[in-house]
Amino acid sequence: DTGVSQDPRHKITKRGQNVTFRCDPISEHNRLYWYRQTLGQGPEFLTYFQNEAQLEKSRLLSDRFSAERPKGSFSTLEIQRTEQGDSAMYLCASSLGLAGALGNEQFFGPGTRLTVL
Amino acid sequence: DQQVKQNSPSLSVQEGRISILNCDYTNSMFDYFLWYKKYPAEGPTFLISISSIKDKNEDGRFTVFLNKSAKHLSLHIVPSQPGDSAVYFCAAGRVAGGTSYGKLTFGQGTILTVHP
Repeated sequence: DTGVSQDPRHKITKRGQNVTFRCDPISEHNRLYWYRQTLGQGPEFLTYFQNEAQLEKSRLLSDRFSAERPKGSFSTLEIQRTEQGDSAMYLCASSLGLAGALGNEQFFGPGTRLTVL
Repeated sequence: DQQVKQNSPSLSVQEGRISILNCDYTNSMFDYFLWYKKYPAEGPTFLISISSIKDKNEDGRFTVFLNKSAKHLSLHIVPSQPGDSAVYFCAAGRVAGGTSYGKLTFGQGTILTVHP
């Protein structure tokens, strides 16, 4: 399978605990994105990387959230001191970094569903 | 501020008929648009995209139309099949300096149900 993979698929945690999610992009893609999706809404952009450089962060990404892509391959998203409002589906996507629009479509992984009790 | 809107939460069509899903946007800086399909417990799957230099793009049963003056796009599925039943999201992004911006802005989604 050469698609985007995410681990774990589900995570249940207690309020105040830290959690970390992993994303492995499609191997030839140099861009990696994180989104969050809540019930009844579309995915909301959190941050993205070009290789190992984090190029943009949404204001949704509070200081409790941190994302890394240390070697330009897989990425981790950590949430510290989780709150009940963090409960959501966390989606990872990857794309090529081509010039122009076409060919840069983002391909999504299956997501990690986080439940904060 | 909802920059991309899908005003129909749901759509129900008969197998074999046309499904038309609509999307409106407010940000005139958007210049490329995508449609994704999502099944429960899976991530969104890319369907089709269109650049603002075009007004139509076709791929098999799927056609996307873009009306820039109205800031409106639509996805046509012909003929509709029961396996098309899913949530459909439109998304918009920007291209600048020849390289696409990373961020996509999504609509809220439309649940399509195709009845046999």
